[in-house]
Amino acid sequence: AQSVAQPEDQVNVAEGNPLTVKCTYSVSGNPYLFWYVQYPNRGLQFLLKYITGDNLVKGSYGFEAEFNKSQTSFHLKKPSALVSDSALYFCAVRDSNTGGFKTIFGAGTRLFVKA
Amino acid sequence: DTEVTQTPKHLVMGMTNKKSLKCEQHMGHRAMYWYKQKAKKPPELMFVYSYEKLSINESVPSRFSPECPNSSLLNLHLHALQPEDSALYLCASSQGEIQGVRETQYFGPGTRLLVL
Repeated sequence: AQSVAQPEDQVNVAEGNPLTVKCTYSVSGNPYLFWYVQYPNRGLQFLLKYITGDNLVKGSYGFEAEFNKSQTSFHLKKPSALVSDSALYFCAVRDSNTGGFKTIFGAGTRLFVKA
Repeated sequence: DTEVTQTPKHLVMGMTNKKSLKCEQHMGHRAMYWYKQKAKKPPELMFVYSYEKLSINESVPSRFSPECPNSSLLNLHLHALQPEDSALYLCASSQGEIQGVRETQYFGPGTRLLVL
């Protein structure tokens, strides 16, 4: 079965410092991995995805993620955090067993960026 | 344009009411989804429509009734809901092509539902 784990409920970082939000996955077959962000009382916004190719994926708002096959990880990173990055972040994998219709989300990590 | 719109933004209903949530996209996507999200939890899939046909029903109670009148519209009809159904209801869409696993899902802002 496909699954993703976000080991941290919350990440705190000071503005201007680099941030990392961790995600590990377990899939049968090729992994198709996504990161979404959710601001309070809003829907999910797509940040980036890994399908194939370069292990470093660049996305929206200066975010990037590094795919590591040997460690089965897909950590989200940003070189310099902004207060406005404070939000709930979800890592997700598409379930290839259902034609890709099902998205399996991690539990979410709340990011707090302090000024 | 990667916009999915949802109406209403907020809805308060009694347990005997009938109401509907509406979702619309004009990206030419052929897969549309309903999710339920409780506070600080990940979204839970409820229904998937592919080419206007119900493809996945995640054992959702019959008090929730989805409808896809055309490729741009998705409705969720609500009847006799329970207080525990209070949540944020999210609509999403994706291209719906064969390589579905590669597709990005685009989410609407959601309808916040409160059942009294």
